[in-house]
Amino acid sequence: ETGVTQTPRHLVMGMTNKKSLKCEQHLGHNAMYWYKQSAKKPLELMFVYNFKEQTENNSVPSRFSPECPNSSHLFLHLHTLQPEDSALYLCASSQDTSGSYEQYFGPGTRLTVT
Amino acid sequence: GQNIDQPTEMTATEGAIVQINCTYQTSGFNGLFWYQQHAGEAPTFLSYNVLDGLEEKGRFSSFLSRSKGYSYLLLKELQMKDSASYLCAVRDSNYQLIWGAGTKLIIKP
Repeated sequence: ETGVTQTPRHLVMGMTNKKSLKCEQHLGHNAMYWYKQSAKKPLELMFVYNFKEQTENNSVPSRFSPECPNSSHLFLHLHTLQPEDSALYLCASSQDTSGSYEQYFGPGTRLTVT
Repeated sequence: GQNIDQPTEMTATEGAIVQINCTYQTSGFNGLFWYQQHAGEAPTFLSYNVLDGLEEKGRFSSFLSRSKGYSYLLLKELQMKDSASYLCAVRDSNYQLIWGAGTKLIIKP
C-alpha cells in the first residue's frame, strides 16, 4: 500500500463510451499526476496538478479531461477514446513538484478500448 | 530532445550481483531517481541521487556521474523477489521527470 488508491483497477470501454478514472491520495501531498504506461515505452506524463492548479498538460488529446477538486482527489474523464489509448493509467502524488520529493504511485487502471 | 537509455532486459542468478546502467541527455539536471516495478503493480521509489557518488541502501546502491550523464543501480545478493522492472528517471531544468523505458530484470535460481 503506497497511500494512493485508484478505481477501477480494470476498465473495458467502447469508443463511444464516457467513463472516469478516480485517484485518491491519503499522504497529505500537494501535487498529483496522471501517467500513461504502454508496454516497453517510458512513462508518459499526461497532467500535473500542484495545489489543485494544473501546471502541465503534455499535448494530451482533448478526449482526456482531468479534474482536481481538491489536493487529495484527481479524476481523468474519458470520452470517444481510440484503441491506441489502451494502456495502464497510473496516478501519482508527491509533496511538491520540485526537489528531491519522490512520487508515490497508485496501482493503476488497466484500460482496454474496444 | 531529451533521452534516457537503459538496457531493455537483463538476466542474473540468485545470490549474484547485477548492475543496471542508465545514461541520460536532458535539458538541465535536478536529480535522478530509480524506481522498482513488479509486473502488474505500481512503481515504488528506490533511490535518489543529485550529487556525484554512491548512495547505499541495504542491498541496493545507486551511483551518479553528472559529467558523464550516467547512473547505475547495483543490486547485491539477488533474491527471486528482485525480478522486476527498474525505471530510471531524471528531473530536468523545469523540474519535469523524464523517464526511461525500464530494464526488465530476470532472476534465475
